[in-house]
Amino acid sequence: QKEVEQNSGPLSVPEGAIASLNCTYSDRVSQSFFWYRQYSGKSPELIMSIYSNGDKEDGRFTAQLNKASQYVSLLIRDSQPSDSATYLCAVKMGGAQKLVFGQGTRLTINP
Amino acid sequence: DVKVTQSSRYLVKRTGEKVFLECVQDMDHENMFWYRQDPGLGLRLIYFSYDVKMKEKGDIPEGYSVSREKKERFSLILESASTNQTSMYLCASSLGPLVDGYEQYFGPGTRLTVT
Repeated sequence: QKEVEQNSGPLSVPEGAIASLNCTYSDRVSQSFFWYRQYSGKSPELIMSIYSNGDKEDGRFTAQLNKASQYVSLLIRDSQPSDSATYLCAVKMGGAQKLVFGQGTRLTINP
Repeated sequence: DVKVTQSSRYLVKRTGEKVFLECVQDMDHENMFWYRQDPGLGLRLIYFSYDVKMKEKGDIPEGYSVSREKKERFSLILESASTNQTSMYLCASSLGPLVDGYEQYFGPGTRLTVT
């Protein structure tokens, strides 16, 4: 089992709809969770971080964390074509001094 | 704004050459990281450093070394470049240490081609 798993996609969503991206992780003592957006040919850009169970909202983005189910998700409301990118889930595992990244989900927003 | 810069966006080197990739951050961050990113393999950690002159191996350190003589600068060294080291190399930094707020910021990346 991979430490951090994401559906690689591609995930295709119509413009204006809600895009839902999911991530599961294997280490129960993981503490910190991050979502990065990566446009083709560019480096990852941090868009959300979440540390506690529940929802965290920032503009059109909502991160959801459920530690009991070892599951973290990212919702993008009112999806725009500019949201088309690969979204990377990253988890800080236990006491490790590093992040573990999922493979990423490629999201396409169709006008 | 956090700024992480890398010395080159594109680099072409020959097999057997010694290659230096430089990374500089301007936010007095404690931790710095080197990753490589390959299609289908995702982001993989090569080395990281949590203080000057300190380094830790990541998941794929073979064929690489690092140097951190100053807090703001973290260098990745390919001792003898090989074609399987052709990749996108990404540097990142974080304020550290391991508490909430451990957010990594990435540089623009260096696309290295070894021929």
